[in-house]
Amino acid sequence: AQSVTQLDSHVSVSEGTPVLLRCNYSSSYSPSLFWYVQHPNKGLQLLLKYTSAATLVKGINGFEAEFKKSETSFHLTKPSAHMSDAAEYFCVVSVRSGANNLFFGTGTRLTVIP
Amino acid sequence: GAGVSQSPRYKVAKRGQDVALRCDPISGHVSLFWYQQALGQGPEFLTYFQNEAQLDKSGLPSDRFFAERPEGSVSTLKIQRTQQEDSAVYLCASTRPPQGSPEAFFGQGTRLTVV
Repeated sequence: AQSVTQLDSHVSVSEGTPVLLRCNYSSSYSPSLFWYVQHPNKGLQLLLKYTSAATLVKGINGFEAEFKKSETSFHLTKPSAHMSDAAEYFCVVSVRSGANNLFFGTGTRLTVIP
Repeated sequence: GAGVSQSPRYKVAKRGQDVALRCDPISGHVSLFWYQQALGQGPEFLTYFQNEAQLDKSGLPSDRFFAERPEGSVSTLKIQRTQQEDSAVYLCASTRPPQGSPEAFFGQGTRLTVV
């Protein structure tokens, strides 16, 4: 079975400080993992993806994530938060077997304090 | 087109009215998903197509919801006799698997408001 757990429903950071959004997954197969960002009244935009290549993945807007198989984690980080980073972030796992092969976490709302 | 296109962007329906939401996936994408996203919530899976075959419709909340993709490209999500609880953003996504890159590309969504 596949599932995704985003450990924090809401994270608040000050502008210029680091961001950490946590994601743990469970998968019976070798997964692909993604982080998507959703700004208010906007669609979902892909930030970065892991597809069994390098475990440290760099994405857009200075975000990166590290795939840790031993910890079944795929946490999203950014060294310095910007006001424009305020949004909802979703961790998603995809497996190649099965019909419905996209599984969403419940989302983490990131607030950036000026 | 360059991305997934959904229409209309906004739809206001009177309770009891039927609505049809359209999704144009990226050309050549095999898999297509529909999601329902209520205000302040994450996307909830509705249904999945591989080409024209609807392989999973376990997420459709009632028999008022119906989806089709007759030629394996454009898909339509139909909601009959709309109710207020149907108010949400309906998202469509397409991907290339099983052979292609696995990330899903999302449309902007259709915001349905039932009054």
